[in-house]
Amino acid sequence: EIVLTQSPGTLSLSPGERATLSCRASQSVSSSYLAWYQQKPGQAPRLLIYGASTRATGIPDRFSGSGSGTDFTLTISRLEPEDFAVYYCQQYGSSPPITFGQGTRLESK
Amino acid sequence: EVQLVESGGGLVQPGGSLRLSCAASGFTFTNYAMSWVRQAPGKGLEWVSAISGGGDSTYYADSVKGRFTISRDNSKNTLYLQMSSLRAEDTALYYCAKRTAVGTPFGSFDCWGQGTLVTVSS
Repeated sequence: EIVLTQSPGTLSLSPGERATLSCRASQSVSSSYLAWYQQKPGQAPRLLIYGASTRATGIPDRFSGSGSGTDFTLTISRLEPEDFAVYYCQQYGSSPPITFGQGTRLESK
Repeated sequence: EVQLVESGGGLVQPGGSLRLSCAASGFTFTNYAMSWVRQAPGKGLEWVSAISGGGDSTYYADSVKGRFTISRDNSKNTLYLQMSSLRAEDTALYYCAKRTAVGTPFGSFDCWGQGTLVTVSS
């Protein structure tokens, strides 16, 4: 089973700043089968990025994903007030099982 | 509009059973693999089970293998999760989720339901 470790656990930034979230896998994620989700309180997760770098339908271009192998990054170029949430990475290249990271909480400073 | 609506959650005693349902609309249900993903209160996401579009292939997390059964009725556009021998640690919000693209059962999820809460307690 591939274990995903996200860092930092909590990230405190201000609107307008750049956010960089990390997801590290315990072994290589085949074919960059990695996704990122955003979850706000009381809501279901929302797909942001799949295939490590492809934005899902309707996702603003301030969200971008990069990486391969064991190291992946979600970047939010310029934070909007609605971007403060919890972010999860997910791998699906070596399944089953599908695994998720433990999440990064992005909070407003 | 793609929509997933879960139902069937509730309070159940340890060792009990429950069946969750997920009604799908807005897409060709039989073309897409589906999964159940759960989230314990205040915790992260945990994949539970997946099923192929035709229903012939099923997969489970080790934590539920032998206790949970995933199935689907493509004539009713409905996904199910039969849960038995429930434990306190199964307490969670259970989401059904649609695979982003056609193909293998494993992938990203581009549509999620609102979740149905399962509480296992005496």
